[in-house]
Amino acid sequence: DIQMTQSPASLSASLGETVTIECLASEDIYSNLAWYQQKPGKSPQLLIYDTSSLQDGVPSRFSGSESGTQYSLEINSLQSEDAATYFCQQHHDYPPTFGGGTKLELK
Amino acid sequence: EVQLVESGGGLVQPGRSMKLSCAASGFTFNNYDMAWVCQAPKKGLEWVATIRYDGSSTYYRDSVKGRFTISRDNAKSTLYLQLDSLRSEDTATYYCARPRVYEQLFDYWGQGVMVTVSS
Repeated sequence: DIQMTQSPASLSASLGETVTIECLASEDIYSNLAWYQQKPGKSPQLLIYDTSSLQDGVPSRFSGSESGTQYSLEINSLQSEDAATYFCQQHHDYPPTFGGGTKLELK
Repeated sequence: EVQLVESGGGLVQPGRSMKLSCAASGFTFNNYDMAWVCQAPKKGLEWVATIRYDGSSTYYRDSVKGRFTISRDNAKSTLYLQLDSLRSEDTATYYCARPRVYEQLFDYWGQGVMVTVSS
């Protein structure tokens, strides 16, 4: 199975700041990487797929990029509603596998 | 509006069985593969199983092969997960999820149903 190592496990940031969350794939996943946002007590919501394509309705302050097998989610101009846990997921091969999650707290 | 509504969770003893259902609406159910994804308490997400749009093929994570069965009734727009020989480590919230066409990423999720395996 492809392992997805996500970092950091948690971070704290202020409103208006920019944060970056990273995911390292154990092998080449050919840009087949998605990001999800999960708020407490809610189901995950798809933010980004294919590394950098925004799902309909997702604000443009969310963006994704890659460098080799390292994938990044950047959130610009943090808003209060961005407090959540974020997960990456590779959708290149079976079984689809997720990173361990990053809990983002707003100061 | 796409809606996925799970039902059937609860408390069950180890070794017993449970069946989850997911009622789908707002899209043409029989055009889409469907999946179950679980999340143990305070833990991350794990894909459990996927079934092709026509039920012709099913795929499972190794830890549930031979114990869980995914199925669907396209006439009722309903997805199922039969959980047999349950173990304490199966305790989780189970989400019904719709994969994007031709991909194994999930663009719609249900609200989830909790399964607790305990004596």
